Amino acid sequence: GAGVSQSPSNKVTEKGKDVELRCDPISGHTALYWYRQRLGQGLEFLIYFQGNSAPDKSGLPSDRFSAERTGESVSTLTIQRTQQEDSAVYLCASSMDGYGYTFGSGTRLTVV
Amino acid sequence: GESVGLHLPTLSVQEGDNSIINCAYSNSASDYFIWYKQESGKGPQFIIDIRSNMDKRQGQRVTVLLNKTVKHLSLQIAATQPGDSAVYFCAGDSSYKLIFGSGTRLLVRP
Repeated sequence: GAGVSQSPSNKVTEKGKDVELRCDPISGHTALYWYRQRLGQGLEFLIYFQGNSAPDKSGLPSDRFSAERTGESVSTLTIQRTQQEDSAVYLCASSMDGYGYTFGSGTRLTVV
Repeated sequence: GESVGLHLPTLSVQEGDNSIINCAYSNSASDYFIWYKQESGKGPQFIIDIRSNMDKRQGQRVTVLLNKTVKHLSLQIAATQPGDSAVYFCAGDSSYKLIFGSGTRLLVRP
C-alpha cells in the first residue's frame, strides 16, 4: 500500500490478557520500528528491524513484550499478560535504510 | 542518557505570524534530525529533515536550522495557519533509531 498500515486501530483488553498488534510497512522499506506513546508524551523506542539482521530490542520495557518480522514484510508486536501501564498508542514506522521514516496511525491500546 | 528535548511545552501564536519551535539534543554523534507534526488521533507526519553536514534546510513555509556547536535545532513556520495547530516533535538518530523529544503544542489564535 501507499502508507504504513496498522491494525487494529483500537484495542480494549482486560488486564492479564495477551494482545497482538500488527504493522504492514511500506513495500520495499527495509527498516521497521515500533514506538510507544503514552498520553501527552513523546515517542518511546521499543524495537527496530533491519532486513534479516538481528533486531535491536533495547527499548522493550519488559520480557512481556516481544516482536517478530518476517523478512521485509509484516511485523507483529505481542504484549503478554497486559497491565494497565501498557495502555498507550503503539506506533509503527518504516524507512528505506534509516531515512524518511513514515509512521502509521497507530493502535490505541486500553487495558482495563 | 541520550535525550532530545524541547524548551517549551506550549507555544501560542497569532494566525499569520511566524512560529519558532526549539529543540535541544544531547547525542553529539547524531547526524540526522527530523521534525514531525502530530494531530490529535493521528500518527506523526514528516515535515522536514536535515543532516548534520547542513545548518539550514528550507521546505514549503518551513525552515529547519541546526547548530551543532550548541546541539540545538529549530523549526520555523512562516505565516502560521490554523491548520498548523498540532504537537511538533523533533527527533535525532542514534544507532539507526530515532530518539524523540516530548513535543511542543502549537496553538494558533485566529
